[in-house]
Amino acid sequence: AQSVTQPDIHITVSEGASLELRCNYSYGATPYLFWYVQSPGQGLQLLLKYFSGDTLVQGIKGFEAEFKRSQSSFNLRKPSVHWSDAAEYFCAVAFRGANNLFFGTGTRLTVIP
Amino acid sequence: EPEVTQTPSHQVTQMGQEVILRCVPISNHLYFYWYRQILGQKVEFLVSFYNNEISEKSEIFDDQFSVERPDGSNFTLKIRSTKLEDSAMYFCASSDVGTLGAFFGQGTRLTVV
Repeated sequence: AQSVTQPDIHITVSEGASLELRCNYSYGATPYLFWYVQSPGQGLQLLLKYFSGDTLVQGIKGFEAEFKRSQSSFNLRKPSVHWSDAAEYFCAVAFRGANNLFFGTGTRLTVIP
Repeated sequence: EPEVTQTPSHQVTQMGQEVILRCVPISNHLYFYWYRQILGQKVEFLVSFYNNEISEKSEIFDDQFSVERPDGSNFTLKIRSTKLEDSAMYFCASSDVGTLGAFFGQGTRLTVV
């Protein structure tokens, strides 16, 4: 069955530390891959997306993600976290031929001083 | 920057009442979507709309739900007879390239009492 998994429900990092949020998918082919961020009381903002080509994708707010076909993963990274990065992060996939997004359960990021 | 606008931001309704959630998509977009997020759960796809008709819908989108694009700018989601379990954040999204580039609105929080 097609699915997307975010294994970490909640992550706490110190401001200035590096961050990696995990995302894995289950699908017979390579889907389209996305990361969204949801700040408290806000909507979903697209951070970055991967369709094909270079497996390292740069996004907004200093985020990047790397697609690894062998691991069926699309992990989100940031070298130095800022307090304003505290939010909920959602990995999403669009399976080829479908016209909708499947979201993971989200990872809540807390940033401590 | 163009954005998807949703109104109201929060709506409280009594069980059994009809509600209409409104969205103004980005003006040149052709694909429209509704998603919902029950508190503490993942974002779930409800329906996609293209060329004045539903192109895809999920199991959640039963006969109680309907969508409409009544004029050139609005896109609405109607819930005919609300149930307690319809309480959720409802997100509208629009795109000019299908699901690959969807922009989400801020959401409408629906509370059914």
